[in-house]
Amino acid sequence: NAGVTQTPKFQVLKTGQSMTLQCAQDMNHNSMYWYRQDPGMGLRLIYYSASEGTTDKGEVPNGYNVSRLNKREFSLRLESAAPSQTSVYFCASSESLPGTTDTQYFGPGTRLTVL
Amino acid sequence: ILNVEQSPQSLHVQEGDSTNFTCSFPSSNFYALHWYRWETAKSPEALFVMTLNGDEKKKGRISATLNTKEGYSYLYIKGSQPEDSATYLCAFMGYNNNDMRFGAGTRLTVKP
Repeated sequence: NAGVTQTPKFQVLKTGQSMTLQCAQDMNHNSMYWYRQDPGMGLRLIYYSASEGTTDKGEVPNGYNVSRLNKREFSLRLESAAPSQTSVYFCASSESLPGTTDTQYFGPGTRLTVL
Repeated sequence: ILNVEQSPQSLHVQEGDSTNFTCSFPSSNFYALHWYRWETAKSPEALFVMTLNGDEKKKGRISATLNTKEGYSYLYIKGSQPEDSATYLCAFMGYNNNDMRFGAGTRLTVKP
């Protein structure tokens, strides 16, 4: 099992450009999450999805959109990138619904720089 | 606002030392506390999930305790080894919340 995979690993964008970060999991998990990690701060939840076709906002959703394409895949889109979105982005998945004690399994991260 | 604080921010110890660090979280509305271990260039990996006041969990040389009434959890590492070098994250989950709130982590460096 590959677990949680993310593409790309690194990306540099110019302000105003758009891009989509891809995430896939092969553990048949129901829930998927997108976090961002900034220096000196904890992982902050951007969006999550409890099941295919459903998405909900997390702590810092502004400037992002998500799509739960199917049970395996959960993408994060930046429509018009801003320097404040420079960060490391992590995708995660868990077996049960959000709000349970289930462990979340994390992908390797995508390092995004917006110039 | 759910504030999850971890201290110290970083810690340097010698191989063989025992060490501990703290995660503080809101004492009201507690549901669960997670500890994760995050090695450089890797993904965070789960260590423990703790739900009951007074819980104590152990995995090898690493153990954790939980005090929900006062809102803190301690992580202990006995006889630290260089391979224990990592950032240790805690994450708080409250009732009626669908998300975990992470602390900024304690970065542990164990010198041989």
